[in-house]
Amino acid sequence: AQTVTQSQPEMSVQEAETVTLSCTYDTSESDYYLFWYKQPPSRQMILVIRQEAYKQQNATENRFSVNFQKAAKSFSLKISDSQLGDAAMYFCAYRGLYSGGGADGLTFGKGTHLIIQP
Amino acid sequence: EAGVAQSPRYKIIEKRQSVAFWCNPISGHATLYWYQQILGQGPKLLIQFQNNGVVDDSQLPKDRFSAERLKGVDSTLKIQPAKLEDSAVYLCASSLRYRGYTEAFFGQGTRLTVV
Repeated sequence: AQTVTQSQPEMSVQEAETVTLSCTYDTSESDYYLFWYKQPPSRQMILVIRQEAYKQQNATENRFSVNFQKAAKSFSLKISDSQLGDAAMYFCAYRGLYSGGGADGLTFGKGTHLIIQP
Repeated sequence: EAGVAQSPRYKIIEKRQSVAFWCNPISGHATLYWYQQILGQGPKLLIQFQNNGVVDDSQLPKDRFSAERLKGVDSTLKIQPAKLEDSAVYLCASSLRYRGYTEAFFGQGTRLTVV
């Protein structure tokens, strides 16, 4: 079974600074997707960024970028120029590309609470 | 485009009572997921539907939880009888199709408190 580990329960950063959230995962599969989701107090999960395991190039979406290290099974999220609206819970998630049937839902980590200091 | 709709937003019940949650996925989305998110943890998949058929329900406590997706659109998740440990946020998500990459869109969830 796949597992996702986020070792930072809480992170704090000054507005306009850069912060990196860590995530490691364990899988025996070679093809999969990795995601970072944001969950504000409204509880709705919002996709921040995704990475396909077969792509060597790290994904980037505006101020958000990832450092994907497949051999190390590491997938960190970097937020540049942090804004007050970035404050939320951030979840790292894994989704396998199975060849057979079965669920293709997400496996989530426990999350990191990101605090933005004005 | 309307998002995933869930109701109610909040529910408080006593243990041993029953409760039902409703989810309306994005129009045209064939795949529907129910997740349970206990406080301080990430969501855990309970059940996945493809149209009106169950793809996987291995994590669903079937002695007390049930779910259905009539006509491959709306879905309901029921708990009967509820236990204190069922207190959690129940999230519904939908995606356009099964397998391959399509983004999963989440609703705002139902926060259940069992007292």
